[in-house]
Amino acid sequence: DQQVKQNSPSLSVQEGRISILNCDYTNSMFDYFLWYKKYPAEGPTFLISISSIKDKNEDGRFTVFLNKSAKHLSLHIVPSQPGDSAVYFCAASAYGNEKLTFGTGTRLTIIP
Amino acid sequence: DARVTQTPRHKVTEMGQEVTMRCQPILGHNTVFWYRQTMMQGLELLAYFRNRAPLDDSGMPKDRFSAEMPDATLATLKIQPSEPRDSAVYFCASGLVAGSTSFTYNEQFFGPGTRLTVL
Repeated sequence: DQQVKQNSPSLSVQEGRISILNCDYTNSMFDYFLWYKKYPAEGPTFLISISSIKDKNEDGRFTVFLNKSAKHLSLHIVPSQPGDSAVYFCAASAYGNEKLTFGTGTRLTIIP
Repeated sequence: DARVTQTPRHKVTEMGQEVTMRCQPILGHNTVFWYRQTMMQGLELLAYFRNRAPLDDSGMPKDRFSAEMPDATLATLKIQPSEPRDSAVYFCASGLVAGSTSFTYNEQFFGPGTRLTVL
């Protein structure tokens, strides 16, 4: 039972354009969402997060949008750079619980 | 430069053999997580510890997997006997829970992983 779903295994985007990565969840108890970025042969690193009391959080080129009614979040990267090529994992947690439920990841490739 | 370390980085073994993976969390972190990454399931939480005590190991196959923290600087994940379906990348992560405040998720730092291949 995959409670956090990333339905696009891969995505290719031209350098300088916008990258949009999507994530859906099924558990209504989730109220905190995170995106992690992973390079080959390295562990995931935290990128950006959002609480369910917000619908948008921005950090430089990265913005996460949350649509609670649709149980959907997305990560926007603008403008996309070659160094953004990585696997991106969406993760979610229920309030007060440090356990994270991860999606299967989306491999983003930025084309120069 | 504080980071989580994991050994070995790669392990190839034959079915039925015992495998032990080790993790050194970041000094001062009191929470340690073990994850497994597979293509089909993504990152699955296997078990985690707070102050060396196991809090949740519900994600771990109990019959063959075991996780321990012999001391604050070492966490181990053992598979005995190993099977081909255990082939995956195993990550350790550590973080800090300060007092009774809620966990700060961006403080969960991952190690580089152990790539396990069971033939």
